Amino acid sequence: GESVGLHLPTLSVQEGDNSIINCAYSNSASDYFIWYKQESGKGPQFIIDIRSNMDKRQGQRVTVLLNKTVKHLSLQIAATQPGDSAVYFCAENDDYGQNFVFGPGTRLSVLP
Amino acid sequence: SQTIHQWPATLVQPVGSPLSLECTVEGTSNPNLYWYRQAAGRGLQLLFYSVGIGQISSEVPQNLSASRPQDRQFILSSKKLLLSDSGFYLCAWGDRALAKNIQYFGAGTRLSVL
Repeated sequence: GESVGLHLPTLSVQEGDNSIINCAYSNSASDYFIWYKQESGKGPQFIIDIRSNMDKRQGQRVTVLLNKTVKHLSLQIAATQPGDSAVYFCAENDDYGQNFVFGPGTRLSVLP
Repeated sequence: SQTIHQWPATLVQPVGSPLSLECTVEGTSNPNLYWYRQAAGRGLQLLFYSVGIGQISSEVPQNLSASRPQDRQFILSSKKLLLSDSGFYLCAWGDRALAKNIQYFGAGTRLSVL
């Protein structure tokens, strides 16, 4: 269940800098991971995914890194722009392969 | 291309009133369908998912129910709303014909129960 009083972690970066958003997952059997971006008042949008047989995957200005040893996932955004301001969620594929378990999210604020 | 529609965008309902939120998907067949709830500043909690017409799986016991009367229609309902039902409700679909079950989300419905 959710913890009472849990606050969303926030990352503030200067426009033009690189951003790194981290996510720890719990299930060592998870074999597929997705990063989503959610802007205020909107539904989450798919950004990038990675399978457990890979350590790194690159997209346009984004890179996802997977460290299975420590069960850690990160999203790197190059040259962060104001439009990148949003909440970012990682999601791991659950044991049955049908559904995802979402992390609590990180709010990214881009400073001018 | 596939699109997902969710309505209404916002809803204010009194405690004890019924609820019906609708979600439809276009451009795909036999999708997996999902309802999530998101409390303010929190992550996504899976409420229901469906792999076919009339097939509903519930993830958490609650005051809500879901139905899938047609292949691309998913409805979230309640007979009597509680204050604790307030939140941001998201519908999503996934193409289970693909090895990757990426979920694509609708724009959400913000429900306020007063």
